[in-house]
Amino acid sequence: RKEVEQDPGPFNVPEGATVAFNCTYSNSASQSFFWYRQDCRKEPKLLMSVYSSGNEDGRFTAQLNRASQYISLLIRDSKLSDSATYLCVVNFNTNAGKSTFGDGTTLTVKP
Amino acid sequence: DAGVTQSPTHLIKTRGQHVTLRCSPISGHKSVSWYQQVLGQGPQFIFQYYEKEERGRGNFPDRFSARQFPNYSSELNVNALLLGDSALYLCASSRGGQGGRLNNQPQHFGDGTRLSIL
Repeated sequence: RKEVEQDPGPFNVPEGATVAFNCTYSNSASQSFFWYRQDCRKEPKLLMSVYSSGNEDGRFTAQLNRASQYISLLIRDSKLSDSATYLCVVNFNTNAGKSTFGDGTTLTVKP
Repeated sequence: DAGVTQSPTHLIKTRGQHVTLRCSPISGHKSVSWYQQVLGQGPQFIFQYYEKEERGRGNFPDRFSARQFPNYSSELNVNALLLGDSALYLCASSRGGQGGRLNNQPQHFGDGTRLSIL
């Protein structure tokens, strides 16, 4: 079993739809979490950090469920420009240097 | 301010050769990490350096090595290249936390070096 798992999708949604992705992790001692987006053949770009109490940035909401060991990303009012691959990142030990990425969930928003 | 810069952007090598990839972090960032990304997968962690010391190493063979310089720039070296080393190599920098807490801050990626092995 992978340390960090994501549903690869693809998720195909119409403009204006609400879509949610989950990312599960295996190590209960995981300490910090992030969502990145990656466009085709580009570098990953930070979308948002994920805080224990959940956090929102415009149309994007991230949540953490430690009991069930997953993080989620909710995108409201999807735009064509949201089409990308969304990567979750889990850091198991913030005193050591290792970040574990999921393999990403691909989102395509259609007109 | 400049973001993370990597060089070269593209590189073609043959099996058995060695390669050196370079990375300059964002000004003020003391932590540099290297990742390998193949098509269809997320980036795989190779190394992290903080204050010129190796602070983390992923599951890669000893053919992979890296170092960080006093100005916090970094090099990734790969010896005896194999076809399977063909990938996008990404460098990421972060401020690094205080008290050794490295990974509670987000990383910022460079454009990557696309390495092809023939």
